[in-house]
Amino acid sequence: AIQVTQSPSSLSASVGDRVTITCRASQGIRNDLGWYQQKPGKAPKLLIYAASTLQNGVPSRFSGSGSGTDFTLTISSLQPEDFATYYCLQDYNYPWTFGQGTKVEIK
Amino acid sequence: QVQLVQSGAEVKKPGASVKLSCKASGYTFTSYYIHWVRQAPGQGLEWMGIIIPSGGSTTYAQKFQGRVTMTRDTSSSTVYMELSSLRSEDTAVYYCARRGDCTGSSCYFDYWGQGTLVTVSS
Repeated sequence: AIQVTQSPSSLSASVGDRVTITCRASQGIRNDLGWYQQKPGKAPKLLIYAASTLQNGVPSRFSGSGSGTDFTLTISSLQPEDFATYYCLQDYNYPWTFGQGTKVEIK
Repeated sequence: QVQLVQSGAEVKKPGASVKLSCKASGYTFTSYYIHWVRQAPGQGLEWMGIIIPSGGSTTYAQKFQGRVTMTRDTSSSTVYMELSSLRSEDTAVYYCARRGDCTGSSCYFDYWGQGTLVTVSS
């Protein structure tokens, strides 16, 4: 199975900060990776698919990049509603595998 | 609008089985794959498997092979996930999720159920 290593596991940031989260796959996965946001007690929400395509309705401060083994989620200017846990997910092959998650907390 | 509505919370004893449901509405049931994902308390997300509603074929994560069975009922647009030989480590919220329209080779979950908490305790 493809391993996906996500970092950092948590971070503290202030409103307005630029935040970057990374995922590294154990083998090349083309651009078959998505990013999800999860708030406590809620199901995850799709932010980005195909590594860099913004899902309809998601604010443009979210962006994704990468291909092959290294991927990045960037929040250009953190907003209060962005404090949550973020997960990457590789869909290159089965079993689909998630990163371990990054909890974004208020500094 | 697309909805995935899951069955209610369950409490089971170790060794028992649980069967969860996920009822789809707002789209053509047989046109989209359904996956199951679980999340133990305070932990990350774990992919369990997929069912293709049109034909019923399934693919399971190796970790759950032999313990999980995913089925569907096209007449009611419902998918089911049964997990057997439950142990305390199976305590988790279980989600069903729809695989959206893939872009090239890349796919994703576009809609999720609300989740079902399964508690395994003696």
